[in-house]
Amino acid sequence: DAKTTQPPSMDCAEGRAANLPCNHSTISGNEYVYWYRQIHSQGPQYIIHGLKNNETNEMASLIITEDRKSSTLILPHATLRDTAVYYCIVRVTGGGNKLTFGTGTQLKVEL
Amino acid sequence: GAVVSQHPSRVICKSGTSVKIECRSLDFQATTMFWYRQFPKQSLMLMATSNEGSKATYEQGVEKDKFLINHASLTLSTLTVTSAHPEDSSFYICSARLTGGRNTEAFFGQGTRLTVV
Repeated sequence: DAKTTQPPSMDCAEGRAANLPCNHSTISGNEYVYWYRQIHSQGPQYIIHGLKNNETNEMASLIITEDRKSSTLILPHATLRDTAVYYCIVRVTGGGNKLTFGTGTQLKVEL
Repeated sequence: GAVVSQHPSRVICKSGTSVKIECRSLDFQATTMFWYRQFPKQSLMLMATSNEGSKATYEQGVEKDKFLINHASLTLSTLTVTSAHPEDSSFYICSARLTGGRNTEAFFGQGTRLTVV
């Protein structure tokens, strides 16, 4: 799986949009971009994934650049409960493929 | 989303004893489950891939005789930490992926905090 690079930490004011970047310059054509988050002492939670088109769901939006070498996860209105470590992972989709976690971005949402 | 349940959520055991952790997919079938370990302030490290009806595939450096994995059904995988030592104290997390489903995201259990004293 392609390696990803994320900033170690970010701060965001409550109610504002949180934009979390991820670089995956070695991504190959059949690899998807997945985002998970882990709130302290809990298991990771799936957020969103995409291949090349931008995606949106009830939790977040995923913006993937045209060359697919980077992406941004957007939490449109961050709340204190969004404080977590956010992981960007690229992998080939399929039932048996494992997820390899990097160090992620610690997002701290403050009042 | 689909639910993955781990049990117990927290366990304390004496050094030298064995501990079994269960991972269940509650509302879906999972041919493949994954076991991770996470030390404080570190990321999740994959330990092994558990395949229903066959032997688990262990990551490099993970002792298969120490971390026994059994995946006897499409909804249950177990991890047994044998002869536990204090250095095995960690947060153990399982995940499962839908079998044959449209979505391919993995769902994670809530984790098991193991403390070996």
